[in-house]
Amino acid sequence: AQKITQTQPGMFVQEKEAVTLDCTYDTSDQSYGLFWYKQPSSGEMIFLIYQGSYDEQNATEGRYSLNFQKARKSANLVISASQLGDSAMYFCAMRVYQGGKLIFGQGTELSVKP
Amino acid sequence: DSGVTQTPKHLITATGQRVTLRCSPRSGDLSVYWYQQSLDQGLQFLIQYYNGEERAKGNILERFSAQQFPDLHSELNLSSLELGDSALYFCASSVAPRASGGNYGYTFGSGTRLTVV
Repeated sequence: AQKITQTQPGMFVQEKEAVTLDCTYDTSDQSYGLFWYKQPSSGEMIFLIYQGSYDEQNATEGRYSLNFQKARKSANLVISASQLGDSAMYFCAMRVYQGGKLIFGQGTELSVKP
Repeated sequence: DSGVTQTPKHLITATGQRVTLRCSPRSGDLSVYWYQQSLDQGLQFLIQYYNGEERAKGNILERFSAQQFPDLHSELNLSSLELGDSALYFCASSVAPRASGGNYGYTFGSGTRLTVV
């Protein structure tokens, strides 16, 4: 069965510090994609970063990087230099290539303290 | 603006009623996905359409149905509404239903917040 697990329901981080949000996945497919989305209190889903299963380099997008460890089936999101505006829910998701739907984890609520 | 338009943004209705949620995909996208986000179930895939045809079904109740029209907009119909149907309903669109690589521009709309009272 395909599944995404986020074990941190909530996290706190001090402004300007780095934070890692955990994500593990389970799939028997060789070809898959991993996403991270941010959902602020307003509700919209904001795409942050993507990692393909065949990508050898870890993905980076500005202050976001994805620590992809394929053998461990983990895809942790690292946010460097946290900002107050980073306070939000963060979802890890996996795309299965047949059909394209996303499977989401339960999310991690990040709070950035000034 | 993500390019995916969902209307209405908010909807309050009574139990037993029927509502229709509308989604216009990003220009050029042929595939539309519907998701439900509720407090107890999290984010769940409901159904996918590609160029007018149903491609995949998830945890969609029999009281719910969807369709994609020739102009590619999609509608999600929810009937015999129950309190537990209160949720945020997202539509997402992409160019193709599958791809060999890349995120192929998977884009979410801003959602419709449904409250059943």
